[in-house]
Amino acid sequence: DTGVSQNPRHKITKRGQNVTFRCDPISEHNRLYWYRQTLGQGPEFLTYFQNEAQLEKSRLLSDRFSAERPKGSFSTLEIQRTEQGDSAMYLCASSWDSGRGNEQFFGPGTRLTVL
Amino acid sequence: SQKIEQNSEALNIQEGKTATLTCNYTNYSPAYLQWYRQDPGRGPVFLLLIRENEKEKRKERLKVTFDTTLKQSLFHITASQPADSATYLCALDMGTGRRALTFGSGTRLQVQP
Repeated sequence: DTGVSQNPRHKITKRGQNVTFRCDPISEHNRLYWYRQTLGQGPEFLTYFQNEAQLEKSRLLSDRFSAERPKGSFSTLEIQRTEQGDSAMYLCASSWDSGRGNEQFFGPGTRLTVL
Repeated sequence: SQKIEQNSEALNIQEGKTATLTCNYTNYSPAYLQWYRQDPGRGPVFLLLIRENEKEKRKERLKVTFDTTLKQSLFHITASQPADSATYLCALDMGTGRRALTFGSGTRLQVQP
């Protein structure tokens, strides 16, 4: 399967715990995005990478959130000291920047539930 | 900041009819406007992209129009089928360096057999 994969698919944690999610993009894609989606809403941008460089972070990404993309391959998103408001679907997407439009390929998401 | 409006109410139509979904935005017109399909519990799937200098784009039973004067895009599914039932998301790509997408909240389409 050459699509975007995310692990785990589901995560239940207690408030205050740290969690880490992983995204494996399509191998030839140079851009990787993280989005967050809550029920009834569209995905909201969190951050993106061009190769291994993190080029932008949304104001939604508080200091408790950190993302990495070592060597420009897979990416991890860590949430420290989770809060109930962090409960959401975390989506990863990748794309190839052709300069002619930015069709993004999404993974299945990681659903986080903070108790 | 850019705001996107999609009908929050579900759209119910009969099989075989044409479904028309609306996406309205404020402020600046995007360089590209995209439509995605999302099924429950899954990530969005890309359907169509239309550029700001294009009026209409077609792909099989799908058609997208883009009116930068009205700041509106319409998404049509002709000869709709129950398998078309899903949430459809409109997304703006401003074409600047970031290239992150700004999504609407989506419209749920239900096609009745």
